[in-house]
Amino acid sequence: EAQVTQNPRYLITVTGKKLTVTCSQNMNHEYMSWYRQDPGLGLRQIYYSMNVEVTDKGDVPEGYKVSRKEKRNFPLILESPSPNQTSLYFCASTSRRGVGEQYFGPGTRLTVT
Amino acid sequence: DAKTTQPTSMDCAEGRAANLPCNHSTISGNEYVYWYRQIHSQGPQYIIHGLKNNETNEMASLIITEDRKSSTLILPHATLRDTAVYYCIVRSLFNYGGSQGNLIFGKGTKLSVKP
Repeated sequence: EAQVTQNPRYLITVTGKKLTVTCSQNMNHEYMSWYRQDPGLGLRQIYYSMNVEVTDKGDVPEGYKVSRKEKRNFPLILESPSPNQTSLYFCASTSRRGVGEQYFGPGTRLTVT
Repeated sequence: DAKTTQPTSMDCAEGRAANLPCNHSTISGNEYVYWYRQIHSQGPQYIIHGLKNNETNEMASLIITEDRKSSTLILPHATLRDTAVYYCIVRSLFNYGGSQGNLIFGKGTKLSVKP
């Protein structure tokens, strides 16, 4: 089954404790991205990657890092989480050979206290 | 990308057709209309997209006016599981122009399907 998976689905952590949210897709997609969703602000793109070893900032990259060492994986790293990073996070992927429809993961609800 | 306008909320009776409108009066010639939905904090789900012809798939139909300034997403027989926020997004066909992969989600239409 074609899918995007994220782990963990729920995470409660404390300020400053480094964490990684993993994202993996099994569709051989070149393009992957991370969004965060906050009430009243909608979904906003954090980072994206056009292919292995190619990443770039989205609209709200501050406080986040990403890496793309393999085509299927695109982890989101919070080196020193802060309470304003409490949010619902989604990973997405799409194929350059498709028509641009993006496939989203199930989401990771992060709470930073 | 062109801006879209959608009603904030709509109700639909179960089993009836749900017609969700979207205005995109500033759409340009190379921009497509995409529809996604998000069911209660789940990941957004692609539904359908079109350029100027009407489109239909197993989930929905998309009707685009001749002047392309508005469109309607039709769920022919709405079920309770179709209760979700529906987003209309206008953008050029994804060609890997970096930030063009960024989907701009507005506030969408909250569709409530009632028994």
